[in-house]
Amino acid sequence: ETGVTQTPRHLVMGMTNKKSLKCEQHLGHNAMYWYKQSAKKPLELMFVYSLEERVENNSVPSRFSPECPNSSHLFLHLHTLQPEDSALYLCASSQLLTDTQYFGPGTRLTVL
Amino acid sequence: QKEVEQNSGPLSVPEGAIASLNCTYSDRGSQSFFWYRQYSGKSPELIMSIYSNGDKEDGRFTAQLNKASQYVSLLIRDSQPSDSATYLCAVRGGGGSNYKLTFGKGTLLTVNP
Repeated sequence: ETGVTQTPRHLVMGMTNKKSLKCEQHLGHNAMYWYKQSAKKPLELMFVYSLEERVENNSVPSRFSPECPNSSHLFLHLHTLQPEDSALYLCASSQLLTDTQYFGPGTRLTVL
Repeated sequence: QKEVEQNSGPLSVPEGAIASLNCTYSDRGSQSFFWYRQYSGKSPELIMSIYSNGDKEDGRFTAQLNKASQYVSLLIRDSQPSDSATYLCAVRGGGGSNYKLTFGKGTLLTVNP
């Protein structure tokens, strides 16, 4: 596989569930990002990791918990979400923080 | 707070015409500018980047940057129905961060056969 992959592609969960989104990049990049894309809103940066260290937490509620075990993998752990958290969650990676970002296909999340 | 403004559209052009997409940004210190294309239900795909004033051409696409006016545009020549998508303007650099991308809401382009 090449590029940035995300699983699952679609997820429906209840407000009491716990689930995780996974992102994997096969580009040898050192920085990874989580974005949220809601209807009629700009892409919102959630978290940034550089060399496995979190460098940005953009005022994201604690019900979203990121994890970056190595430079190729990024997770977003979800618990007790709200219906307004329903959105497309996009992962991206770049060689360095200042380089071009490449996006994965996204996970379409629906919270019931 | 950095802002990036785009007309939401939809912008409708006939096949073969030039589509002109515009973007303004609020942070005068911004350094890098990007255009992403996003098909419905898909992820954003980088199509152009521009870093200095003037024009940058790549095939049918031309990005134009005017830092004095805080304005960046994307021209698509000989528009094709396959160009129908939402085009996202993104800006990086300036106050507070040299790596964060700030996106506009996007402009929906429809190219009619």
